[in-house]
Amino acid sequence: EAGVTQSPTHLIKTRGQQVTLRCSPISGHTSVYWYQQALGLGLQFLLWYDEGEERNRGNFPPRFSGRQFPNYSSELNVNALELEDSALYLCASSPGLAGANNEQFFGPGTRLTVL
Amino acid sequence: AQSVSQHNHHVILSEAASLELGCNYSYGGTVNLFWYVQYPGQHLQLLLKYFSGDPLVKGIKGFEAEFIKSKFSFNLRKPSVQWSDTAEYFCAVKPRTDKLIFGTGTRLQVFP
Repeated sequence: EAGVTQSPTHLIKTRGQQVTLRCSPISGHTSVYWYQQALGLGLQFLLWYDEGEERNRGNFPPRFSGRQFPNYSSELNVNALELEDSALYLCASSPGLAGANNEQFFGPGTRLTVL
Repeated sequence: AQSVSQHNHHVILSEAASLELGCNYSYGGTVNLFWYVQYPGQHLQLLLKYFSGDPLVKGIKGFEAEFIKSKFSFNLRKPSVQWSDTAEYFCAVKPRTDKLIFGTGTRLQVFP
């Protein structure tokens, strides 16, 4: 069974640009989560989508947004990039709201560098 | 606000030493508890989890964790570490119908 996949693996952008990161969940999983892993800050929760709807949002500005498609894949968009957005962006999936005791399975991440 | 504290930011051990990594959380309700590990160059993977029942949980690679509800703690232990245990370890807490909250991580270095 294929795991969570993310693309691209690495990305270099300049301040002010926009970026789109992509995530494909494990087959059968309906929930997708996005996290930011910045150096020394651990994993910070960004967004949670399930069945195409945004279920929860972390403490990030509105220039961080996303969506989930009918096939449950997801995009994370970041507008007006700032230097501090440089981080590893992790996507995770789980079977969704049907089971409250669901563990999350993580993808390899997208390393974003903002210059 | 809900939070997870990992007291040890960087731990250095010799092989065969015993390991205990602390994790405390602040949330009064029912939670699910997790330890994830991130080996160098690899993605985050689940080490062990607690949902209910026996508070002593066994995970992969000889790791275990004990949930002590009165102390809001979920410390990770291993009696004898190996060089291959060098990694970053993250404690995470999930209130039943809410998001997963991670600690800031503990970097473990094991020297032969």
